[in-house]
Formats: sequence, structure tokens, C-alpha cells
Amino acid sequence: EIQFVESGGGLVQPGGSLRLSCAGSGFTFGAYWMHWVRQVPGKGLVWVSHIESDGRNPTYTDSVKGRFTISRDNARSTMYLQMNSLRAEDSGMYFCGGGTGVRGVHYPEYWGRGTLVTVSS
Amino acid sequence: EVVLTQSPATLSLSPGERATLSCRASQTLSSYLAWYQQKPGQPPRLLIYDVYNRAPGTPARFSGSGSGTDFILTISSLEPGDSAVYYCQQHSNWPPYTFGQGTKLEIK
Repeated sequence: EIQFVESGGGLVQPGGSLRLSCAGSGFTFGAYWMHWVRQVPGKGLVWVSHIESDGRNPTYTDSVKGRFTISRDNARSTMYLQMNSLRAEDSGMYFCGGGTGVRGVHYPEYWGRGTLVTVSS
Repeated sequence: EVVLTQSPATLSLSPGERATLSCRASQTLSSYLAWYQQKPGQPPRLLIYDVYNRAPGTPARFSGSGSGTDFILTISSLEPGDSAVYYCQQHSNWPPYTFGQGTKLEIK
């Protein structure tokens, strides 16, 4: 069974840092493009970042450029999101999602259940 | 950035009825549009990709259509379990990938 499990969320003050992790199992992690998507409870989905299967060409939504860094360790089947200079508007549930092939690289097919980030003083 | 506008915001229908959900793009898309279903407390689930292709496990009751800037998700005969929020997503012009704001479908 393909599974993603996110961790690392929590309460942090504005200006602080967090590192989110997304651990995959049940599949060849190194074959999957991976994404982070944020959702404020009760609101819509917002794409945050993506990374290709071999770690190349990371991309970000404009609001996090220069503050967030996506990375992956295929040997550990884990993706990361380093979040620095956090702002209140970064708060939300962070889902990791991924896929492979012509369908899955741009349309994440498999998702974790999310980890909640709250940025507040 | 491509802005996706979904309508209606909320749709309330009875079992057996047909649901038609709309997604309008701010610029012409290639055929790179998907639909997701999200139920409370769950992550999104991919239903349709590249406008009309059903993802594995998607019932045949779900179909996608459209081109250019206007796209439709149709659910031909609603079941109670179809209650959810439905999102469209594009990768025609990325980054960024963008989602619509969602349509909440309620089954009476």
C-alpha cells in the first residue's frame, strides 16, 4: 500500500522556523514527483512547492520564495520542507502529495493526511 | 498566474440527480486540467486528469469535459457518498500550479 506520512508541524512564533517531513512507503519513492499543498481549515487548496523525482528543478509559489526550501532524500524515502521567516499567512494544514508517470507528476495521486502549522504569537 | 474560478460555490441536489460543476480559467489552457474530490478530514482525491481521463478507481458516473477556458465536471447520478468539495487544478502554465476555490456539493 502506498503511504505518505507528514510530520513536523506545530505552533511557532512569527519569524520562526519549522521543518516538515513527508515519509513515503510502499512504492519506489525515487520515481515520484512530490508536492506540498497548504489548506487553511475550512478553506481551499493552495499549491506551495514541488520537486522532481531526482531532486532537480524545485519550484515555489511566489509568497514563499526565498523563505521555504524543498528537498528530498530518496535513500530515506523522505521529502522535506524547510520553512523560515514564518508568517501568520503560512498557517494551515500542509499535505504532501506525489505521483509518477504522465498522470502523477503534475496531478498528485497519493496524499498524506497532513501536518498542521500554526504561526502565532 | 492562471486563476481558476469555480461555480457555483455550493450545489444542493438529491440522489439520482445530475450535477454540473464549472471551472473557468483566466487564460486558455492546454488540456492540463484536473478535478479532485475532498471530504472532511481527508486529503484530496484525484478524480479526473487532462480534462476527461478518469483516474484509477473513479466511477464512470464522473466525467470531465471542456476546452480553452471552460471546463465541466459532471456527476451523472448522484449518490449520498458524493457529498464533498470539488476542486479543479491546472498545470498548463506552471509554476505555479493553481486550484480553483472549490464547489461544495451537498446531497439532500
